[in-house]
Amino acid sequence: GDSVTQMEGPVTLSEEAFLTINCTYTATGYPSLFWYVQYPGEGLQLLLKATKADDKGSNKGFEATYRKETTSFHLEKGSVQVSDSAVYFCALLNQAGTALIFGKGTTLSVSS
Amino acid sequence: GAGVSQSPSNKVTEKGKDVELRCDPISGHTALYWYRQRLGQGLEFLIYFQGNSAPDKSGLPSDRFSAERTGESVSTLTIQRTQQEDSAVYLCASSLDAGGRDEQFFGPGTRLTVL
Repeated sequence: GDSVTQMEGPVTLSEEAFLTINCTYTATGYPSLFWYVQYPGEGLQLLLKATKADDKGSNKGFEATYRKETTSFHLEKGSVQVSDSAVYFCALLNQAGTALIFGKGTTLSVSS
Repeated sequence: GAGVSQSPSNKVTEKGKDVELRCDPISGHTALYWYRQRLGQGLEFLIYFQGNSAPDKSGLPSDRFSAERTGESVSTLTIQRTQQEDSAVYLCASSLDAGGRDEQFFGPGTRLTVL
């Protein structure tokens, strides 16, 4: 069945460091891919998405490129801020379009 | 309201009791989803509603779990004879339409603890 694997956390960085959170998937066909973020004390919210191969999703300085060759959708940011501290979830939409399949989440902690 | 709301925010129950969790989706959203997140795990899909029908129930873990939806409004997730492994955060989401064309907006969740 469909699945998403993302790097285990926690990831601890200093402010202005480069961030990469790896995400790979297994699925039928070419699913839409997503990154969701959960800030402390807040609900889950969409960060960015890509719906087809080679698409790049971007938002708030974060980027991820849909790579069908490597079945990956790694999240990157060039310079993290303390306010980026959160839990990040990679997800795909199943083929029927009825459910998101999530990875286990990666906790990011950024210190000043 | 402006977003998806869920109630209660926290629920503690004893093993064997039944519980009901409520979700109020964003007004006008036809699609509604239930997920759960157990400690240290990602979100697991439970059930999807389009209007008041549930074409995908594949994530419900056992027949102790059921859900219903009234029109394109409130949904209730019921867990009968709760077990300790049911302890989790139960999240509801809604979207304007189905098929992944529209963003799923998540509620704050209900934290269920089964003693």
